[in-house]
Amino acid sequence: AQSVTQPDIHITVSEGASLELRCNYSYGATPYLFWYVQSPGQGLQLLLKYFSGDTLVQGIKGFEAEFKRSQSSFNLRKPSVHWSDAAEYFCAVVRMDSSYKLIFGSGTRLLVRP
Amino acid sequence: SAVISQKPSRDICQRGTSLTIQCQVDSQVTMMFWYRQQPGQSLTLIATANQGSEATYESGFVIDKFPISRPNLTFSTLTVSNMSPEDSSIYLCSVGGLAGGPSEQYFGPGTRLTVT
Repeated sequence: AQSVTQPDIHITVSEGASLELRCNYSYGATPYLFWYVQSPGQGLQLLLKYFSGDTLVQGIKGFEAEFKRSQSSFNLRKPSVHWSDAAEYFCAVVRMDSSYKLIFGSGTRLLVRP
Repeated sequence: SAVISQKPSRDICQRGTSLTIQCQVDSQVTMMFWYRQQPGQSLTLIATANQGSEATYESGFVIDKFPISRPNLTFSTLTVSNMSPEDSSIYLCSVGGLAGGPSEQYFGPGTRLTVT
């Protein structure tokens, strides 16, 4: 079955340090991929998306992600983390049986040390 | 994107009762969805709300438990019926079909439901 895996349940980084959140997907063709962020008590905000073309995509809030077909990965990165980045991050992929339904990963909770 | 609001933002309900959650969008959208996020879990799609017709439910979700209405292109409701403590979750609506395409979805702030 199609799936999205976020292997890290929690990640803790110091403020100002770099960040990489991992996402792996299972899919045969080129997937449509997304990263969302959910701050405490909030809904989900779209950070960035990959549909096709350049495999390095830029998003909001200084985030970027790189699509690597050979590794079935779409990892999220940020060069310098701010305390306000503490949140839950979800990777998502469009379902094969639908052009608009999403499958979400289990999420990674980011904690930021002062 | 779109501005999406949900009402109520949170509620505490007794088991056996029902709660209707409203989702309002500030522009017409083709796609509206309802998700459930159980405590500490990821999002699970409940159904696609179809304007003018019955909602399309995902496996494991049924209309009797989660009736959905969508009377126009900017509004939808989800009812959680005959609630039990297992229904305690965050319920989110989302919209798609905007400039980014049908799969690019934007989410409301969610409704946090606690069933006692």
